[in-house]
Amino acid sequence: AQSVAQPEDQVKVAEGNPLTVKCTYSVSGNPYLFWYVQYPNRGLQFLLKYITGDNLVKGSYGFEAEFNKSQTSFHLKKPSALVSDSALYFCAVRAPRSNDYKLSFGAGTTVTVRA
Amino acid sequence: DARVTQTPRHKVTEMGQEVTMRCQPILGHNTVFWYRQTMMQGLELLAYFRNRAPLDDSGMPKDRFSAEMPDATLATLKIQPSEPRDSAVYFCASGLVIGGTDTQYFGPGTRLTVL
Repeated sequence: AQSVAQPEDQVKVAEGNPLTVKCTYSVSGNPYLFWYVQYPNRGLQFLLKYITGDNLVKGSYGFEAEFNKSQTSFHLKKPSALVSDSALYFCAVRAPRSNDYKLSFGAGTTVTVRA
Repeated sequence: DARVTQTPRHKVTEMGQEVTMRCQPILGHNTVFWYRQTMMQGLELLAYFRNRAPLDDSGMPKDRFSAEMPDATLATLKIQPSEPRDSAVYFCASGLVIGGTDTQYFGPGTRLTVL
């Protein structure tokens, strides 16, 4: 079975400060990992993904995430947060089985960036 | 800018009525997913298709829910009869499998309220 844990329901930071949203995963084999963001009353938007290669993945809107196999983590980071980054963030994982494209999503982390 | 479209965006209906939600995946995408989002359960996968064939509908209450892809440009999710507990936001997502994986792109969702 595959699963994702987002240990923090909420993260609050001041604008201009670094932002980190935590994610740990459980899956058989090497994982495919994703981050999505959801703004109020909108669908989820893809931010970035890790499939293979460099452990540091860069994505949209200045976000990046680091894959750490030994810690089974894939934390999302942004060096300098903006008020407009306030949203709900989801981490997702799937196992690299050829005929199974299901993603398992975490419960989500609400990010609030205060001005 | 290719997008997943969903109709209707909002639906209010009475218990016992049939509800049909429609999704137009991004042209050329070969995987389509239906999700349900609620405050209590978070994001749940209901069903998904690859090349229009249903691959997994284990997340769907089979007695009242059905999902189909009559053609490559249309996916439908039906609830008959609807119940108040079906009130949720239903998202469709589509993806294109490349190199054994895909990235899912979400539509804006259908907000369903069953009275």
